[in-house]
Amino acid sequence: AQKVTQAQTEISVVEKEDVTLDCVYETRDTTYYLFWYKQPPSGELVFLIRRNSFDEQNEISGRYSWNFQKSTSSFNFTITASQVVDSAVYFCALSPDSNYQLIWGAGTKLIIKP
Amino acid sequence: DTGVSQDPRHKITKRGQNVTFRCDPISEHNRLYWYRQTLGQGPEFLTYFQNEAQLEKSRLLSDRFSAERPKGSFSTLEIQRTEQGDSAMYLCASSLTGETEAFFGQGTRLTVV
Repeated sequence: AQKVTQAQTEISVVEKEDVTLDCVYETRDTTYYLFWYKQPPSGELVFLIRRNSFDEQNEISGRYSWNFQKSTSSFNFTITASQVVDSAVYFCALSPDSNYQLIWGAGTKLIIKP
Repeated sequence: DTGVSQDPRHKITKRGQNVTFRCDPISEHNRLYWYRQTLGQGPEFLTYFQNEAQLEKSRLLSDRFSAERPKGSFSTLEIQRTEQGDSAMYLCASSLTGETEAFFGQGTRLTVV
């Protein structure tokens, strides 16, 4: 069975703190894709990153970074120097192929306080 | 092009009525996906199209749910004989191919009373 677990239901930090959102996945497939999406209060899901199972390199994009570790089936997301605009629900998702038949975690609500 | 557009944004219907939602993808996108999202949960994949062909529909929630994309452009999702449990946000997304980023619309929020 395939499953994505985001154990942190809600995280609240003060602006400028670093914060890490955890994502643990389960799959028996050797090829799969992992995603992170952001859902601000407006409701529209915003794509952040897609990573295939063969690429374990960590990725950094501005204040965002992702740590993919197949050994622990984790794909964690870190925001450095958080800002109020980062407040949103963040979803981690898994797909067995490239067809966006995504299996989603329950999301982590991130609150950045000024 | 301003992105994926969904209509209506909100729909309130009485139990037992049929409802239809429309999704207009980004114009050059071949792939179109439908998801359902209930409160406090991640989206749940329903179905997807490659142009006008519906390539996966086994995850539609029941036979009351159906989707079409007749000309490979816009798509409709219909729910027949709505039930209170159908109350949710219905999201549409599109991508150029399966290998590229999918863009989501703002969703249609359905409330069945």
